[in-house]
Amino acid sequence: AQTVTQSQPEMSVQEAETVTLSCTYDTSENNYYLFWYKQPPSRQMILVIRQEAYKQQNATENRFSVNFQKAAKSFSLKISDSQLGDTAMYFCAFMKQWGNTPLVFGKGTRLSVIA
Amino acid sequence: DTGVSQDPRHKITKRGQNVTFRCDPISEHNRLYWYRQTLGQGPEFLTYFQNEAQLEKSRLLSDRFSAERPKGSFSTLEIQRTEQGDSAMYLCASSLEIRTGGTEAFFGQGTRLTVV
Repeated sequence: AQTVTQSQPEMSVQEAETVTLSCTYDTSENNYYLFWYKQPPSRQMILVIRQEAYKQQNATENRFSVNFQKAAKSFSLKISDSQLGDTAMYFCAFMKQWGNTPLVFGKGTRLSVIA
Repeated sequence: DTGVSQDPRHKITKRGQNVTFRCDPISEHNRLYWYRQTLGQGPEFLTYFQNEAQLEKSRLLSDRFSAERPKGSFSTLEIQRTEQGDSAMYLCASSLEIRTGGTEAFFGQGTRLTVV
């Protein structure tokens, strides 16, 4: 079974600064996807960024980028130029590329961006 | 199609009552997932469908829980004889499974259940 671990329950960052959220996972699979989802307070979960395990290049979406270390089974999220609207719960998630399996989530990191 | 929609958004029920939630996925999505989320925790998988077939159920899904997805379109999640421990946010998500593998899941706004 796959597991996802987020070791930082809470983090805070000053507006305009950079913050990195950590995620590690455990799997015996070689082909899979990794995701970061954002859940603002009382709002629905939205996808921030996605990484395919077969791609060596780290995914980037505007101010959001990942550091994907496949051998270390590490998948961290870097948020640059943090904005107040980035305040949210962030969840790391894993999904096998093939087979009938659902998304597996970590317990989340609560990020607060401080003005 | 504006995304995954869930109904109702909030439900307050007395212990012992039955409740049913509905999820309408993104129309072309063939996968539909149900998750449960308690305060400050990550979503916990309950069950999921590929089209109308229920492919997997978590051990979290006791006999009091049942889910259906008739005709592979919308889905319902029913909880019978609700207990206070059932109080949570119930999230629905959908995704498209294609021949090159799965795609990301899109979530609804959830149904918040409070059992009093």
